[in-house]
This record gives sequence, structure tokens and C-alpha cells, in this order.
Amino acid sequence: QVQLVQSGSELKKPGASVKVSCKASGYTFTSYAMNWVRQAPGQGLEWMGWINTNTGNPTYAQGFTGRFVFSLDTSVSTAYLQISSLKAEDTAVYYCARDRETTVTTSDYWGQGTLVTVSS
Amino acid sequence: QSALTQPRSVSGSPGQSVTISCTGTSSDVGGYNYVSWYQQHPGKAPKLMIYDVSKRPSGVPDRFSGSKSGNTASLTISGLQAEDEADYYCCSYAGSYTGVVFGGGTKLTVL
Repeated sequence: QVQLVQSGSELKKPGASVKVSCKASGYTFTSYAMNWVRQAPGQGLEWMGWINTNTGNPTYAQGFTGRFVFSLDTSVSTAYLQISSLKAEDTAVYYCARDRETTVTTSDYWGQGTLVTVSS
Repeated sequence: QSALTQPRSVSGSPGQSVTISCTGTSSDVGGYNYVSWYQQHPGKAPKLMIYDVSKRPSGVPDRFSGSKSGNTASLTISGLQAEDEADYYCCSYAGSYTGVVFGGGTKLTVL
């Protein structure tokens, strides 16, 4: 069965960096795109962008350029989200979500989410 | 402000039907048949309930149905059950430049 298992909660100080991992199993990792979605406390879902798991080419949504980096390690079927120069407003749950296609269309399977808290 | 507009809340009694609307534009909902709906219970990850406007993933009850007319998509839940109480988000593909957009979410209360 398809599973996406994300790394655990993180508490970081402003200005620090964080790297969230998303390990996939139960399917061929490079056959489906991977999306990243943010959910701030008490707020809705916000699409951050996606990464082509075949080519490694990332695409970032508006508002997620510069400090956000998507990457892959296909040898261990894992996608990563790195956020640098963390700000308090980056406090949120971050989800990885597999797409139904090789390119972005619809997220079908989701990780359990990783809470990133930015506080001094 | 979310790209897609949903009512903030809807409610219904057990056994009744409710419909949640999702209004976008010709650049997203109206332009593509990649409209999806997600159910999210508190503290849990979203779950795909409807994709490609009206298709149900395996395991989703047929009480859940989706449709689209013009720039507005709808999710209908019939035979409401207590476990349907959750937040529901619509989502649409919006082209290669914008990518994907979500609605602001609708809280469904089962009375």
C-alpha cells in the first residue's frame, strides 16, 4: 500500500533552517510527482509547489520562492523540503502529497504532516 | 484570500444531504476537469474524496459525489453521518504557471 512517512516535529529559532523528509513506499517513486502543501495553525491548505520525481525539476508557487527548496534522493525514495532563514510566520504543518500523475494534477496520498514551529 | 471561494460553514442533520460549493474562474475550475475535494478531520492529514470533478477513489462511500457547472464545482454528501463532520477543501489545477489552487475550506457540522 502507498505510504508517505514524514519526519518528526521541529522547533527552530528565527533565522535557522529546517529540512523535512518524506519517505515513500508501496509504489514506484519516480512515476508520480510530489507536491508540498502548507497549513498554518487554524488556516486552510496552501499549495507550495511540486517536484518532478523523474527529472528532479522543482516548481514553486508564488510566495514560496527563494527560501524554499524541494529536493529528492531517489535511491531511498525520499523527497525533502528545506526552508532557510525561518520566520515566525513559517510556523505550520507541512505535508508532502503524491500526485496521481507524473506532473501536477491531483494529490491522492498524503504524508501525516510535519509541524514546524519557529519561535525564539 | 484563497483563490477558490467556499462557504465557511454548512450544517445538516443525520440522514440529510448537504452541498458545498466552490467558485473559481475560467482559469481554474472552469478551465480544467482537475477539480478535487478533500476531507480533513482535526489533527489529521487531508483525505482525497473526489477527483477529476466527479470520480471517487476506491473506498470512498458513494454518498459523496461531485459535479461542476461553469466556474463552480460542488460536493454533495447524502445520507449525512456523524463521521462526515470535518473540514472540506476544494482544489483545482490552474495551469502550468499557477499550478494548483485551494479553496478556503468549509466546516461541515452534523447536527
